[in-house]
Amino acid sequence: DAKTTQPPSMDCAEGRAANLPCNHSTISGNEYVYWYRQIHSQGPQYIIHGLKNNETNEMASLIITEDRKSSTLILPHATLRDTAVYYCIVSVIQGAQKLVFGQGTRLTINP
Amino acid sequence: GAVVSQHPSRVICKSGTSVKIECRSLDFQATTMFWYRQFPKKSLMLMATSNEGSKATYEQGVEKDKFLINHASLTLSTLTVTSAHPEDSSFYICSAPGQGTYFRNEQFFGPGTRLTVL
Repeated sequence: DAKTTQPPSMDCAEGRAANLPCNHSTISGNEYVYWYRQIHSQGPQYIIHGLKNNETNEMASLIITEDRKSSTLILPHATLRDTAVYYCIVSVIQGAQKLVFGQGTRLTINP
Repeated sequence: GAVVSQHPSRVICKSGTSVKIECRSLDFQATTMFWYRQFPKKSLMLMATSNEGSKATYEQGVEKDKFLINHASLTLSTLTVTSAHPEDSSFYICSAPGQGTYFRNEQFFGPGTRLTVL
């Protein structure tokens, strides 16, 4: 079973920051938080991952709470192409670790 | 980044026939690949782990005789849906873990194969 809970859907205006929350209260000390997204009828795409420090890359920022029980993915300037289902996954980094997907958040960016 | 391809992208078959789906890592080697299926408006469900040179590991509830997996080389895994039935109609997606310092912490997914069984 997935170890994360996310709101089923969110809306955001184009150009605004999209903040997607994720709860992972049972996360283990050696588990990372991963974010993937899936645009309609495509395979998922990696966004970002982190352990306990905040992370930023060209796509997004990841804010992990100090107790690591929740995190927030931030898309700083959402565009229409960011409309997708966003999945928060906890997983141990161990080379070929399988990913267990929860239900994700369906993010709709509105013009 | 690394690229994973799938073939075919869409397939329609008659009930009772078998369908083979290919998953290829195009510019890297993958000793392990994963197969998922996804029903409309649902999340991805992991079916099995494909291991190069050895038997696949199936998730609980997935029939290994129904979904045959062969990982014959470091760049190719195949999923064969045997004796397909309409309830097997789904979106099948494969993935492979990245390699090297930069990509080793992420998985690369294929574009998916939409199977429709009539």
